[in-house]
Amino acid sequence: KQEVTQIPAALSVPEGENLVLNCSFTDSAIYNLQWFRQDPGKGLTSLLLIQSSQREQTSGRLNASLDKSSGRSTLYIAASQPGDSATYLCAVNSGGGADGLTFGKGTHLIIQP
Amino acid sequence: DGGITQSPKYLFRKEGQNVTLSCEQNLNHDAMYWYRQDPGQGLRLIYYSQIVNDFQKGDIAEGYSVSREKKESFPLTVTSAQKNPTAFYLCASSRTGVNTEAFFGQGTRLTVV
Repeated sequence: KQEVTQIPAALSVPEGENLVLNCSFTDSAIYNLQWFRQDPGKGLTSLLLIQSSQREQTSGRLNASLDKSSGRSTLYIAASQPGDSATYLCAVNSGGGADGLTFGKGTHLIIQP
Repeated sequence: DGGITQSPKYLFRKEGQNVTLSCEQNLNHDAMYWYRQDPGQGLRLIYYSQIVNDFQKGDIAEGYSVSREKKESFPLTVTSAQKNPTAFYLCASSRTGVNTEAFFGQGTRLTVV
């Protein structure tokens, strides 16, 4: 059964720093990996989708990489801002088709002004 | 605006009651999903549907039921058989296929009183 782990569970850094969030998964036979952002009491906002054939995706200050063979993905946030404070979730699609995602528990990120 | 609408935002249930959570999408997506989120836990899949009039159990379907009579709607009923229903419930949708992005609603917080 696929398992997704996110490290660290929580992170607090000063504004302006570059930072990396980590995601690992136990079964490398994935179709894609998706990074989400969740604000307190809110739903999930999709940040980046990386297909299994891709190595990375970029959106603004965000860059996500995927190493499928080693079961790892990283989310790089450049020049962090207080508005980046949120919980970041990693999810993998292992089953193909439309049978749902397997999620990690998330990294709670605080950017200090 | 295209998106997923969940209602109500907050719901209170008495012991022994069934309650129904609404999820509507206007993204023209075939696939819809229900997830449950507990504090400090990753999202867990309750039910999913890839097409109208068809749905499958996810990892934690016991005590829940769904219907998919219209493409746009995927309501979730939390029955009295669900022993620990207090949680945050999230509905999502996507196109079918192996490399599609999932989009989420804003969630419903259910509390047993």
